[in-house]
Amino acid sequence: AQSVTQLDSQVPVFEEAPVELRCNYSSSVSVYLFWYVQYPNQGLQLLLKYLSGSTLVKGINGFEAEFNKSQTSFHLRKPSVHISDTAEYFCAVSETGGFKTIFGAGTRLFVKA
Amino acid sequence: EAGVVQSPRYKIIEKKQPVAFWCNPISGHNTLYWYLQNLGQGPELLIRYENEEAVDDSQLPKDRFSAERLKGVDSTLKIQPAELGDSAVYLCASSPGTNGNEQFFGPGTRLTVL
Repeated sequence: AQSVTQLDSQVPVFEEAPVELRCNYSSSVSVYLFWYVQYPNQGLQLLLKYLSGSTLVKGINGFEAEFNKSQTSFHLRKPSVHISDTAEYFCAVSETGGFKTIFGAGTRLFVKA
Repeated sequence: EAGVVQSPRYKIIEKKQPVAFWCNPISGHNTLYWYLQNLGQGPELLIRYENEEAVDDSQLPKDRFSAERLKGVDSTLKIQPAELGDSAVYLCASSPGTNGNEQFFGPGTRLTVL
């Protein structure tokens, strides 16, 4: 069975500062990893995903994430955040060869002016 | 291209009443998911369809919840009777069905049970 732990429930940060949202996962088999963003009163939208290959994955809106197999982590980063990045961010994992996706509890990113 | 459509967006009902949610996935997407999202939590899978077949309904509380996707396109999720603890957002998502593909989410239906 897989699990996902998002280590921070809330992350406040000033505009134009860098940010890292942390995600650790647990699985006995190889996995695919995802980050989704949810703006208020909207559904989730994919930011980026890791399936295979390069461990550094670039996504939309200037976000990137690095897959670290030894530390079972998939942290999300952005070098300079904007007010518009204020949202809920979800890390998710699914087994390769499977269809079930497990989502973390989410990290609320709050960007302050 | 139209996204995943859900209706209604909001629903308020009294406990013990029935309620139904509707979802129209992206055209051509064979896989359809219903998720439950409690406040401050991530989505939790209720049921997954491959075309019209429910291939994973292990987390669906079958005593009060039911779902259907009769023609393999749109889907309905029903709760009868609703309980106070069912208050949550119900999300529908679809994907082309290939493992590793992203899921496309609808805006959700926010259910409040009084």
